[in-house]
Amino acid sequence: EAAVTQSPRNKVAVTGGKVTLSCNQTNNHNNMYWYRQDTGHGLRLIHYSYGAGSTEKGDIPDGYKASRPSQENFSLILELATPSQTSVYFCASGDGRGDAETLYFGSGTRLTVL
Amino acid sequence: AQRVTQVQSTGSSQWGEVTLDCSYETSEYSYLILWYRQLFSGEMVFLIYQPSFDTQNQRSGHYSVVFQKSFKSISLVISASQPEDSGTYFCALSELTGDSNYQLIWGSGTKLIIKP
Repeated sequence: EAAVTQSPRNKVAVTGGKVTLSCNQTNNHNNMYWYRQDTGHGLRLIHYSYGAGSTEKGDIPDGYKASRPSQENFSLILELATPSQTSVYFCASGDGRGDAETLYFGSGTRLTVL
Repeated sequence: AQRVTQVQSTGSSQWGEVTLDCSYETSEYSYLILWYRQLFSGEMVFLIYQPSFDTQNQRSGHYSVVFQKSFKSISLVISASQPEDSGTYFCALSELTGDSNYQLIWGSGTKLIIKP
């Protein structure tokens, strides 16, 4: 069964600290995505990747970096965390079927930046 | 301005038919509308999609859609709803971007509560 696993589930960080959110997928999908979800907003795309070694900027990349060291793993990095980055972050892998691509999501990481 | 708009919340009673509305803005001729459900655990699950070129309303299990392309509107219909169908439902627009990639534009979701 398709599986996307995020860690940690919850994270509290201090302003200016470095935060790394990890995502692992066992779907063997080329495409992976990082979204954030805030109240009153839909999912907003931060970074995405088409395969190992590739990262692309999404709609709101400022303040975030991404790393895709392997097919299975995709990390989101906040080098200098700020309170405005307090949110729920979702990782997803995509089956790559063009416009009908189905995304498989992890359970989310709740990040609080104090 | 949001390009995909959904009502914030709604409710229904068990066994009723539920309709969740979504409106969108696009200048593309070819696109897809997808529906996802967010479980209370936070996990997002894909439900159904409707291609713009397909005049037939799609169905999947007890989910179906009513697609009104000329109004840029689509509704998700849940038949014989159960309390377990409660959750937040997201509508998303998939369209081709200028660099030949597809992008998903998400609505803000409709929170649905089904009462026993």
